[in-house]
Amino acid sequence: AQSVTQLDSQVPVFEEAPVELRCNYSSSVSVYLFWYVQYPNQGLQLLLKYLSGSTLVESINGFEAEFNKSQTSFHLRKPSVHISDTAEYFCAVRGAGNMLTFGGGTRLMVKP
Amino acid sequence: NAGVTQTPKFQVLKTGQSMTLQCAQDMNHNSMYWYRQDPGMGLRLIYYSASEGTTDKGEVPNGYNVSRLNKREFSLRLESAAPSQTSVYFCASTRDRGREQYFGPGTRLTVT
Repeated sequence: AQSVTQLDSQVPVFEEAPVELRCNYSSSVSVYLFWYVQYPNQGLQLLLKYLSGSTLVESINGFEAEFNKSQTSFHLRKPSVHISDTAEYFCAVRGAGNMLTFGGGTRLMVKP
Repeated sequence: NAGVTQTPKFQVLKTGQSMTLQCAQDMNHNSMYWYRQDPGMGLRLIYYSASEGTTDKGEVPNGYNVSRLNKREFSLRLESAAPSQTSVYFCASTRDRGREQYFGPGTRLTVT
């Protein structure tokens, strides 16, 4: 069975500082990996995805994630965060039966 | 395109009452999903419909029923609401199972 562990429930960081949100997964099938962002009182929006090919994937707003097969990780990074990045971030993995399993979420809190 | 829409946005029920949450998508997606989101637990799958005319149980189906009315619409019914069903409910859809899912804005349900 597949599982996703987001190692930090909350990550406080100052504006313009770098950030890394950690995600580890286990899956018995070839993986597809996703990061979603949820702003307060909204639904989840796809931030970026890894399906195949280059192990480094980027979003349009400066986030990137790297698929590391040997460490079974898909950590999300941004070199310089903004106040507007304050949100909850969810990692998800495709597993058996083509179902997505979501991690528990990491709340990113950007402080001025 | 409206994407995935959900009604209502908010609902308060008394224990034992019934209600139906509505979901519709205009992206011609084949698969649709219902999740519940509770603090610290990420998203948990209640039911899904892999294609029009089929429905299957997810991780937490007890107390819920679903109907895939047509390709666009997928409803979730609570026959006899319980306080444990207080949650935020999200509908999602995808063109191909295992790929990225697109989420609605959510329904915040409180059962007293």
